Amino acid sequence: DAKTTQPTSMDCAEGRAANLPCNHSTISGNEYVYWYRQIHSQGPQYIIHGLKNNETNEMASLIITEDRKSSTLILPHATLRDTAVYYCIVRPLNAGNNRKLIWGLGTSLAVNP
Amino acid sequence: KAGVTQTPRYLIKTRGQQVTLSCSPISGHRSVSWYQQTPGQGLQFLFEYFSETQRNKGNFPGRFSGRQFSNSRSEMNVSTLELGDSALYLCASSSPGQGGTEAFFGQGTRLTVV
Repeated sequence: DAKTTQPTSMDCAEGRAANLPCNHSTISGNEYVYWYRQIHSQGPQYIIHGLKNNETNEMASLIITEDRKSSTLILPHATLRDTAVYYCIVRPLNAGNNRKLIWGLGTSLAVNP
Repeated sequence: KAGVTQTPRYLIKTRGQQVTLSCSPISGHRSVSWYQQTPGQGLQFLFEYFSETQRNKGNFPGRFSGRQFSNSRSEMNVSTLELGDSALYLCASSSPGQGGTEAFFGQGTRLTVV
């Protein structure tokens, strides 16, 4: 499974956009990019996923570069409740559901008032 | 729709004891995976069950085991507890289908071994 690289920590001002980068230079053609976040002492929460097209939902936008070697998660208007550890994961298309997700240490995002 | 439920939320055990943790997936979800989370290691995959069969296993010793029941509820068991087993144990469920389905996590069981 491909590995991901994320900055250890980031800061963002409340109300501004938070742009969280992820490098997945060894991603294969059949691997999706997933983003989760984990608020302190809670279980991880699914945010968004994509294969090669940009995706948007009510929580965030996912921008995947054309060569698929990196992606950016965008929280358009960060709030204090968005303070969490954000994980970028790649998973094969045919792995089946949540089987053996490989987790890094993620990016600790601090949203400041 | 109820989320993934893990019980108990907190547990304190003594070295050498054994422990059983429970996970009830979202209704209709047949895949259940277990993860161990420690501060320095992040989330480590333990195993995955689908339709009562273990179909994937991580690199953990045989002291860690699990099972899934016909109603998709799952349990994991850790025998001969060690101090290093202190961690947050997370369960995730998802529905069967094509790739690209997300996993839904429970709140976890925080196990402390003393």
